Amino acid sequence: NAGVTQTPKFQVLKTGQSMTLQCAQDMNHNSMYWYRQDPGMGLRLIYYSASEGTTDKGEVPNGYNVSRLNKREFSLRLESAAPSQTSVYFCASRYRSMNTEAFFGQGTRLTVV
Amino acid sequence: DQQVKQNSPSLSVQEGRISILNCDYTNSMFDYFLWYKKYPAEGPTFLISISSIKDKNEDGRFTVFLNKSAKHLSLHIVPSQPGDSAVYFCAASARETSGSRLTFGEGTQLTVNP
Repeated sequence: NAGVTQTPKFQVLKTGQSMTLQCAQDMNHNSMYWYRQDPGMGLRLIYYSASEGTTDKGEVPNGYNVSRLNKREFSLRLESAAPSQTSVYFCASRYRSMNTEAFFGQGTRLTVV
Repeated sequence: DQQVKQNSPSLSVQEGRISILNCDYTNSMFDYFLWYKKYPAEGPTFLISISSIKDKNEDGRFTVFLNKSAKHLSLHIVPSQPGDSAVYFCAASARETSGSRLTFGEGTQLTVNP
C-alpha cells in the first residue's frame, strides 16, 4: 500500500550540479504534480502532467524539467542547481476526470550550497 | 497572481474551542475546493473537500463552508484538539478550464493549546 513514493528523501547539491527527483505512484492515477514548499510561500506548482504523455508548466517552472516516463512515474530534473532551489519538493497524484483529492509523497528536502 | 490566498499565517486557539481557518480565491472558474493538513517532515494529507454545487460539507469535527459570491471558504474544527496543531492548506481546481491543475494557498499554522 505504498501510495506516492519519492526518492531521495534528502539531498545536498553544490551549485551547478544536476540531479533528478523520482516519483512513482501505484494508485493508477492519471495526473501527477511537482510542488515546492518554501516558508511563507505555501505549495507552489512547478510542473504537472494531466495524463500520460502530457506535461504543463505550473507557477514556478524556471530551472526545472520534467518527464512523465509512464503512467506511474513522473520525474523532476534540475539541470544546474542554484541556491534558490533549496526547498522541500513534493510529488502528488490524483484522478483527472473527477473531483477527487490528490495524494502526496513524503517529500524530498533539497539543499543547494 | 496568487489565485488562492490564506491571509492568516498563524492561528492559536485553546483546546475544546472552535478553530476557524479562512481562504479566499480569485478565479471564478474554480469548482472544487480542498483542505489539507501538514505535519512537519511529512507530506500534506487530505482533510475535507467541497464541490461548488454545495455550500457546506461536514466530516466529524471538520466542516467546510463555501461562499461562492464572496469567493471565500472556511474550515471549522470543533472541538479543537492539540493533535490538530499543524499547517493547513486550502486548494482549488477548475476541471473544465485547466485540466487537473491544483492550486494551493500559503498555509495557516494552527496551534491548539492544552
